[in-house]
Amino acid sequence: QSVLTQPPSASGTPGQSVTISCSGSSSNIGSNYVYWYQQLPGTAPKVLIYRNNQRPSGVPDRFSGSKSGTSASLAISGLRSEDEADYYCATWDDSLTGFYVFGTGTKVTVL
Amino acid sequence: EVQLLDSGGDLVQPGGSLRLSCAASGFTFTSYAMSWVRQAPGKGLEWVSTINTGGGGTYYADSVKGRFTISRDNSKNTLYLQMNSLRADDTAVYYCASCPTVTAGIDYWGQGTLVTVSS
Repeated sequence: QSVLTQPPSASGTPGQSVTISCSGSSSNIGSNYVYWYQQLPGTAPKVLIYRNNQRPSGVPDRFSGSKSGTSASLAISGLRSEDEADYYCATWDDSLTGFYVFGTGTKVTVL
Repeated sequence: EVQLLDSGGDLVQPGGSLRLSCAASGFTFTSYAMSWVRQAPGKGLEWVSTINTGGGGTYYADSVKGRFTISRDNSKNTLYLQMNSLRADDTAVYYCASCPTVTAGIDYWGQGTLVTVSS
């Protein structure tokens, strides 16, 4: 079963913008909604973006998601120290009997 | 408020069995598919299994197929994961999670329960 490819790390200074990419295929990102999860150190993940570009209530509008073809992106603007965390993209894959697939994860560091 | 309370994690020997539970509250359990996701120490998230609302449709990662069984008791708002023939590489924090549908993403996560497979 495949995984979605993300850069292992990204960084920026406070106030800067950071973009994380997520690369998949026609059977996963190309066919289904993309979700983004934030995992702060020592805690369970939480939803940051659902259905490609929707933010749950309580998630700041500094976070935005987009999707094009078989790739997706998460953008963080106005970077803050509390944004330092691991970020994962995820979606369903329609191959074979179907399975859920996560990205490889990106560690965001605020310098 | 949505709550998913994972439990059942423990230290178990290789080849052993364990059953995880997840008590759900704060939402209509019978309307949601449910999943298990795990995270090995220092590693990324790995999907384990998903079950549909009625329990008749189940999906597994290749790494656990034939060894793990997901099930749910809608009368008790509880999700289960029966894990057999456990191996060292099953060591991880296991998270229970809710999904609006089988193919939709996860919207809520439990706090996680640690499974350690070691002699």
